[in-house]
Amino acid sequence: GNSVTQMEGPVTLSEEAFLTINCTYTATGYPSLFWYVQYPGEGLQLLLKATKADDKGSNKGFEATYRKETTSFHLEKGSVQVSDSAVYFCALSWGLTGGGNKLTFGTGTQLKVEL
Amino acid sequence: EPEVTQTPSHQVTQMGQEVILRCVPISNHLYFYWYRQILGQKVEFLVSFYNNEISEKSEIFDDQFSVERPDGSNFTLKIRSTKLEDSAMYFCASRDPTGYYPDTQYFGPGTRLTVL
Repeated sequence: GNSVTQMEGPVTLSEEAFLTINCTYTATGYPSLFWYVQYPGEGLQLLLKATKADDKGSNKGFEATYRKETTSFHLEKGSVQVSDSAVYFCALSWGLTGGGNKLTFGTGTQLKVEL
Repeated sequence: EPEVTQTPSHQVTQMGQEVILRCVPISNHLYFYWYRQILGQKVEFLVSFYNNEISEKSEIFDDQFSVERPDGSNFTLKIRSTKLEDSAMYFCASRDPTGYYPDTQYFGPGTRLTVL
C-alpha cells in the first residue's frame, strides 16, 4: 500500500539556518504530494503541494520538488525563523478522478528554531 | 477565506458513553473526511464521505463509528461506546474535486477527545 517516510525529529536549528526535512514515499501510480504544518495547539495547515513529477511547490519561503526518480519530496527553507517552530507532516494522496483520495501521512517531524 | 470549523474544541467523556463530533465543511466542497491523531503519533485516515455515503473507510473505522451529513452544512462523527484508546485529536477535512485544486484537502482545527 501507500506509505510516507519522514526523517525522525526533533530537528533543532538556530535562526537563519538552512532547513531540510527528508520525505520519501511508496505509492501506486502517481500520487499528489503535500506538506502540512501543525503549529503548537493548532490544526493542520496546508503548506505546499505538488501534483506531478518535477513540480516544485513553494510557500512562505519553503520549497519542495516532486522527484519521481527518487520518490522523494524533501522540504527546504533557506533561512528559518523562530516562528517556523512546528511539526511538519509529509503526505500523499492518490486516486482516480472523483475518487476518495484519502491522505496518507508520515510520522511528522518536529522543528525547533532557537535564537 | 472559507474554512472548516469543528465543535467542540475539547470533549471529555466517560468510557462507554456516546460522543458526536461536529464539523462544518467549506460550503461548496463535496468530499468530507475524518482523521485522527493519537498524541505523539501520525495522523490516520478514518473515513471519506461523498454523495451521502461512505466512499472509503479504514480498519480503524469499525461498527462503533458512524458518520452523517444531517443537513446541508454539518458533517458528524459518532462514536457509540467510547474506549480509552479513542482518546485523540479528531480532524475534519473537506475537498472540492471540481475546484482549482481538486486534490487538496482543507482541515479544521480539530476536536480533542479525552475518554476517562
